[in-house]
Amino acid sequence: GQQLNQSPQSMFIQEGEDVSMNCTSSSIFNTWLWYKQEPGEGPVLLIALYKAGELTSNGRLTAQFGITRKDSFLNISASIPSDVGIYFCAGLNYGGSQGNLIFGKGTKLSVKP
Amino acid sequence: NAGVTQTPKFQVLKTGQSMTLQCAQDMNHNSMYWYRQDPGMGLRLIYYSASEGTTDKGEVPNGYNVSRLNKREFSLRLESAAPSQTSVYFCASTVSGGSLYGYTFGSGTRLTVV
Repeated sequence: GQQLNQSPQSMFIQEGEDVSMNCTSSSIFNTWLWYKQEPGEGPVLLIALYKAGELTSNGRLTAQFGITRKDSFLNISASIPSDVGIYFCAGLNYGGSQGNLIFGKGTKLSVKP
Repeated sequence: NAGVTQTPKFQVLKTGQSMTLQCAQDMNHNSMYWYRQDPGMGLRLIYYSASEGTTDKGEVPNGYNVSRLNKREFSLRLESAAPSQTSVYFCASTVSGGSLYGYTFGSGTRLTVV
């Protein structure tokens, strides 16, 4: 089945540093989504990308839909302690009876004040 | 706006016991999902319901059953709990399976089987 390779698995950074994480797949996706999960909560949608090459920002977060439709990256600029959590990428294909999301295994972000 | 509500939030079971995890959404979504989350494994799909009256297996369905009670509610049942089912369980919903907006998740049920 389809799989997403998300890297890095974890990051330990200093407050104020920029962060970059990415997802790659052997399959093409029509939509890429990035979620954040805080401790004790469910994942929450951060950014959705719908077109190859699309670059979208949400505050200090920027994500891009790779031109090959097989990858996506998420950047966080000037990290702050509340950025701590697990970030998941997810790919979606339309059509069929379901169009299930496929999730990466997550990048755990720790921010040192 | 409650979104997706899961109950209970925490549960400890003995091996062999049964229980049902409840999920309800108030967004008029058609599709609902059950995932389990284990350290280093990400989110794995257990079962899903594309619409009221239908259910299908996901990636890891063994040991579970589901019921789509109505459009709002989708329950997950463990008939005979095993320690391997210790996990955090998330329910999610979306307008339809091909929705462009991804899924809305509940806050999870933390299950420990001893």
